[in-house]
Amino acid sequence: DTAVSQTPKYLVTQMGNDKSIKCEQNLGHDTMYWYKQDSKKFLKIMFSYNNKELIINETVPNRFSPKSPDKAHLNLHINSLELGDSAVYFCASSQDPRPTEAFFGQGTRLTVV
Amino acid sequence: GENVEQHPSTLSVQEGDSAVIKCTYSDSASNYFPWYKQELGKRPQLIIDIRSNVGEKKDQRIAVTLNKTAKHFSLHITETQPEDSAVYFCAAISNDYKLSFGAGTTVTVRA
Repeated sequence: DTAVSQTPKYLVTQMGNDKSIKCEQNLGHDTMYWYKQDSKKFLKIMFSYNNKELIINETVPNRFSPKSPDKAHLNLHINSLELGDSAVYFCASSQDPRPTEAFFGQGTRLTVV
Repeated sequence: GENVEQHPSTLSVQEGDSAVIKCTYSDSASNYFPWYKQELGKRPQLIIDIRSNVGEKKDQRIAVTLNKTAKHFSLHITETQPEDSAVYFCAAISNDYKLSFGAGTTVTVRA
């Protein structure tokens, strides 16, 4: 059983399109995250949700909108995609808002052409 | 916010030798320091962590040390094997609940 699963694994799309990435965790964790890993491998927090409530919202363009329908799911919707959005997006979860022992999903490689 | 710096950015070692990666952090309130290993095309995986009330922790061939006064922590891998080749990230959690990562170290173990 995959603990944190993301779909799709790969996403290639044109500039200006709107796309979504879905994430689900079956660990019973209360907190979920989105991280962005750029081409230089740098990992940076984007959003954090605890029990469906937004608790961290980093300096991310408002074209990115996370949605948490329940504590086991955290989806990421991106409007008007730009070339610079190309990256690997990782979903993660942890038991509580302090991301100790955070567990990462396998990542979604987004390529904007 | 927390700023984590990691060195070196690349490290090549002969199989069987040791590898050491060093990180510094800026926020003295940080109290949890995990290390993640990311193999090519895979997800980051937690391999070891240390909390601020502990100076050293060991798990088989890997060990971490923490110097709170100097605000630095290190990962030590002994008897390196080819499967240790990966990108290693240090990180720190401060009171803002954010997991701040270092820039990563690409470790290559030469057979």
